[in-house]
Amino acid sequence: DTAVSQTPKYLVTQMGNDKSIKCEQNLGHDTMYWYKQDSKKFLKIMFSYNNKELIINETVPNRFSPKSPDKAHLNLHINSLELGDSAVYFCASSQRQGNNSPLHFGNGTRLTVT
Amino acid sequence: KQEVTQIPAALSVPEGENLVLNCSFTDSAIYNLQWFRQDPGKGLTSLLLIQSSQREQTSGRLNASLDKSSGRSTLYIAASQPGDSATYLCAVKPTDSWGKLQFGAGTQVVVTP
Repeated sequence: DTAVSQTPKYLVTQMGNDKSIKCEQNLGHDTMYWYKQDSKKFLKIMFSYNNKELIINETVPNRFSPKSPDKAHLNLHINSLELGDSAVYFCASSQRQGNNSPLHFGNGTRLTVT
Repeated sequence: KQEVTQIPAALSVPEGENLVLNCSFTDSAIYNLQWFRQDPGKGLTSLLLIQSSQREQTSGRLNASLDKSSGRSTLYIAASQPGDSATYLCAVKPTDSWGKLQFGAGTQVVVTP
């Protein structure tokens, strides 16, 4: 009955590889997000989708490509992984964007690039 | 550019004491401010959301205040318990943000039995 679930929980890979992280929410929310938490614990938004439409695309290398097949899913694909991509990636969702809906977060995916 | 600061970065208190966590932000043009709890290896759990028109929100032992004009919020946790040990993050939603939150770095709290 997990509200926001993301897989895998841990991902260890070598530089140059391509990997994907999947996210699903069963809350019926319209908006989904990807956040990155770096080693200093700062959380920064990467992308946001509202009803499968991209609405936020922060200054993120184009090696990162989000894909939303439907409004309950938002996957993150990363090409040509670099050491600096190592971080914890969090998926989140909210009822609507731009108003006072709280965000619900997944448990994170810890990506380690060696 | 909105900046969110949380002080102190870490806090250790004995069980039973009240906790006071501070959050400050530089731009008062916000929709709301949220307090989250993060446990090791887990995601964030939303604790309280204060709309920009509100002064405070309460939930059980938690009380959060908001002074938008001075750019400050305080989270009070009454009668702390070891289970309150976690990292607490505050985040503001700027009015021009189209939904994105600006997070502080968090305060790591340890409540000792």
